[in-house]
Amino acid sequence: DSGVTQTPKHLITATGQRVTLRCSPRSGDLSVYWYQQSLDQGLQFLIQYYNGEERAKGNILERFSAQQFPDLHSELNLSSLELGDSALYFCASSVGDAGGYEQYFGPGTRLTVT
Amino acid sequence: KNEVEQSPQNLTAQEGEFITINCSYSVGISALHWLQQHPGGGIVSLFMLSSGKKKHGRLIATINIQEKHSSLHITASHPRDSAVYICAVNTGGFKTIFGAGTRLFVKA
Repeated sequence: DSGVTQTPKHLITATGQRVTLRCSPRSGDLSVYWYQQSLDQGLQFLIQYYNGEERAKGNILERFSAQQFPDLHSELNLSSLELGDSALYFCASSVGDAGGYEQYFGPGTRLTVT
Repeated sequence: KNEVEQSPQNLTAQEGEFITINCSYSVGISALHWLQQHPGGGIVSLFMLSSGKKKHGRLIATINIQEKHSSLHITASHPRDSAVYICAVNTGGFKTIFGAGTRLFVKA
């Protein structure tokens, strides 16, 4: 158990809908990272927050947004969902905000868009 | 060409064999990670390297910064080592780039 929790574990929704994925980092970790893993594109970095502020952006679509709250949990919002958004979404946390810190991964949320 | 390349893509080994998985990258990095993903989907961080070599149990990871190359070795492989092994690099711009992964199957 990494200490990182994600909810829900599974989510099935229809195209055009909006969903929110939630992540609670390990106690003491200030950084939260979001990743998408699809069958055809592998793991991709979406976005990182550190202590409430956006730190880095990767291949995150404009239909997706995220935030980190004062209690350090983070939410990833996916809107106008398309079939291609079906994927595993992982969050990870680390103590620091730059490379060089070990990342601890949550169990993932499996999103299926029908 | 991908910025992070792993080889081989797939690897089948007999229990007890010594295994090497390679990772080459073409970008400047602050750290390199080796991750393990089991069939159930969960991801575990095995190593984080910025230089030299690290060992944990039967696993050894090395990195050569000048050659932009890292290797993950598994000694005395076991069927429970069967998983996908993923190399990931942190770039200077705080981003993480992943390799495509190496699927390892260890036969009993």
